[in-house]
Amino acid sequence: DAKTTQPPSMDCAEGRAANLPCNHSTISGNEYVYWYRQIHSQGPQYIIHGLKNNETNEMASLIITEDRKSSTLILPHATLRDTAVYYCISGGYQKVTFGTGTKLQVIP
Amino acid sequence: DVKVTQSSRYLVKRTGEKVFLECVQDMDHENMFWYRQDPGLGLRLIYFSYDVKMKEKGDIPEGYSVSREKKERFSLILESASTNQTSMYLCASSLRDLITNTEAFFGQGTRLTVV
Repeated sequence: DAKTTQPPSMDCAEGRAANLPCNHSTISGNEYVYWYRQIHSQGPQYIIHGLKNNETNEMASLIITEDRKSSTLILPHATLRDTAVYYCISGGYQKVTFGTGTKLQVIP
Repeated sequence: DVKVTQSSRYLVKRTGEKVFLECVQDMDHENMFWYRQDPGLGLRLIYFSYDVKMKEKGDIPEGYSVSREKKERFSLILESASTNQTSMYLCASSLRDLITNTEAFFGQGTRLTVV
């Protein structure tokens, strides 16, 4: 399974776009990239996932580089409620392995 | 809405006790997972199951076992609890989709303290 690396923390001004990077240089061809977030004292919540094309849903956009070695999660207009730990993970259809994530602080 | 329910939110057990953590999901998902979460270490996979009576070791299975007798229920067992098993335990489930893959849904977690 591929391992991912993320910066431990980031700040973002409220209303601005938050761009969270992730490196997954050892990802294999059939492994998806997933993003989850965890708000304090809650279980992780799914945000988005993709294989090689860029993806967008009502929560966020996911940009995956052509070589699939890195990706960026974009929250287009960050709010205070987006303050959380964001996990970039990869895995096959059965096994999903988490790293330590990026703590995003949205600042008023 | 998918619901993943863990039987206890907080649990305190004594060293050496046998501990059962129960997880139930109501969406007929094939895959179920147990993670533990510790400060600075993120979420680490203990065991997962992709079908009834099937189980696979995750990254840190030592000191734990699991049971999946019914599709909706996945139990984590600490045969003899130790203080280093004090942690937050998270259960998750997902649909087994081989083509497009799907997300995992998590329970609220059980904070276990072993004294």
